[in-house]
Amino acid sequence: ETGVTQTPRHLVMGMTNKKSLKCEQHLGHNAMYWYKQSAKKPLELMFVYNFKEQTENNSVPSRFSPECPNSSHLFLHLHTLQPEDSALYLCASSQDPTVSEKLFFGSGTQLSVL
Amino acid sequence: RKEVEQDPGPFNVPEGATVAFNCTYSNSASQSFFWYRQDCRKEPKLLMSVYSSGNEDGRFTAQLNRASQYISLLIRDSKLSDSATYLCVVSTNAGKSTFGDGTTLTVKP
Repeated sequence: ETGVTQTPRHLVMGMTNKKSLKCEQHLGHNAMYWYKQSAKKPLELMFVYNFKEQTENNSVPSRFSPECPNSSHLFLHLHTLQPEDSALYLCASSQDPTVSEKLFFGSGTQLSVL
Repeated sequence: RKEVEQDPGPFNVPEGATVAFNCTYSNSASQSFFWYRQDCRKEPKLLMSVYSSGNEDGRFTAQLNRASQYISLLIRDSKLSDSATYLCVVSTNAGKSTFGDGTTLTVKP
């Protein structure tokens, strides 16, 4: 399935590096999300964008900086990360975030911070 | 208390077995309920939505009890390919989804 695509699939970075995760959805959805999944923890919502406007920031540290230039693209800019930030970062989309709908996920970026 | 609590598992069952997963939620304002399946190192994928009237999709049956704030998933005639982690997801009418920790199922030959 190519409804929601994420790149890169894997990323290893040092604590002083700056990198970006990219997400693109081809489903014509209006909402996009970033989730974090750490080992043995449930998915944690990080950010929500509705019609490219940020509608939720779930107390995420400023070293994670999202960008949504349009309804189809979402980025997560990373800088000065910590080893505990190592996790699977999942992008998702849905038609309308104000309605409780199913989410379509990308395959995720497995991030390791050294 | 967690907003969404699932059976801790893991569940190890033989092929052909029937297995049931339970999930409870604390937010009485929750509006929509889902079961997702997540394979190892892969993204979650929607398995089925859960309705008050209960719904069935082949070997899978989902039930919702709003009064008890309880959701269940029943898998009949388990297949090896059913091995995965099953995630209970609860959403408010603001579209905010909360995921449970997941219950891992291993179906053995």
